[in-house]
Amino acid sequence: GAVVSQHPSWVICKSGTSVKIECRSLDFQATTMFWYRQFPKQSLMLMATSNEGSKATYEQGVEKDKFLINHASLTLSTLTVTSAHPEDSSFYICSARTGVPEAFFGQGTRLTVV
Amino acid sequence: AQSVAQPEDQVNVAEGNPLTVKCTYSVSGNPYLFWYVQYPNRGLQFLLKYITGDNLVKGSYGFEAEFNKSQTSFHLKKPSALVSDSALYFCAVRGSNDYKLSFGAGTTVTVRA
Repeated sequence: GAVVSQHPSWVICKSGTSVKIECRSLDFQATTMFWYRQFPKQSLMLMATSNEGSKATYEQGVEKDKFLINHASLTLSTLTVTSAHPEDSSFYICSARTGVPEAFFGQGTRLTVV
Repeated sequence: AQSVAQPEDQVNVAEGNPLTVKCTYSVSGNPYLFWYVQYPNRGLQFLLKYITGDNLVKGSYGFEAEFNKSQTSFHLKKPSALVSDSALYFCAVRGSNDYKLSFGAGTTVTVRA
């Protein structure tokens, strides 16, 4: 299947700083990528849909200015958590839309804000 | 609106026994159904999908799932579970014209030796 690489796998940052998470499609071009947030032992919550060359579409309740998404190329989408606070600590996962019906997911990023 | 229900938070089975993880869904139009598995601190791995055709679909690692339109179900099955199947399993659905996936709450499978 298609390979989606997410980096970093885990990150610890201080409260008030910003953190960037990268999602790359390694062997295909992804016009659309999705960003999810997962709390412990819970399901995935879709945060936003990232479209190459255009603004991301955010789900209701997700702060656009807090979670900045950039999809500047067909193989890279980034999620920047700005002015991070402890409540932003979570597991963030990206997925990419390919030419087949199933989505392929990155390995996830464990963010801890201290 | 589309949704997925996984009625069991946990499923415990002995190694070698059959494994079933239940899933029911709601979606407008024809459903695209998926099962994914997640290991701790990892992303989701695709197991199998139903798009059209035979109601019984086979996927990775010996898993299969049966699509039942009248019951709006898509239960995941494995005839003989392995300890290594212990993980968190997600059922997901989307409509044929919508790329947004809706996930169930997940079912933790524990296979004891």
